[in-house]
Amino acid sequence: GNSVTQMEGPVTLSEEAFLTINCTYTATGYPSLFWYVQYPGEGLQLLLKATKADDKGSNKGFEATYRKETTSFHLEKGSVQVSDSAVYFCALSDQGGNQFYFGTGTSLTVIP
Amino acid sequence: DTAVSQTPKYLVTQMGNDKSIKCEQNLGHDTMYWYKQDSKKFLKIMFSYNNKELIINETVPNRFSPKSPDKAHLNLHINSLELGDSAVYFCASSPGGGVKNIQYFGAGTRLSVL
Repeated sequence: GNSVTQMEGPVTLSEEAFLTINCTYTATGYPSLFWYVQYPGEGLQLLLKATKADDKGSNKGFEATYRKETTSFHLEKGSVQVSDSAVYFCALSDQGGNQFYFGTGTSLTVIP
Repeated sequence: DTAVSQTPKYLVTQMGNDKSIKCEQNLGHDTMYWYKQDSKKFLKIMFSYNNKELIINETVPNRFSPKSPDKAHLNLHINSLELGDSAVYFCASSPGGGVKNIQYFGAGTRLSVL
């Protein structure tokens, strides 16, 4: 079956540090991959996406590349800010269907 | 205008009560969802409706009953509330499946069962 595994948190970083949150997936066919972010007290919102192998999604300084050979979609940012403190969810949409799978979420706290 | 709106934002109630959470989307999407998020932030899909028809019904107690009067609304009714139902419930919608399956979330309803 389809599933998403992401690194457990919480993650605490100093401002301007480099961020990596690992995400790997299991899926049949060609899924679409997403990163969602949840700021405190809010619903999830789409951060970036990639719909085919080798696609790179990017937004707000965050990037993730769809790697089919390693079934990964790791989230990276070169220099985090305090305002990036949130919970980040890796997610997968199966090819052609309406099923959506979220990872367990990784809490990020950025300290000044 | 809020794209996906759910009410109420907070709901505090006693065990055994029956309560409803309403969700409306003005995005013209065909598919709507209910998710439950526990205290550890784990998200679990509960139900999915496509054009008012139930398409995903995960293992959820039958005390939970979704109702979709039209494709813009998906309400969640919960009977005989239990302590373990305390969580944040999110409504979401998407324009379709596969590559179109970008989920748009409401702000959540924090349910506390006392």
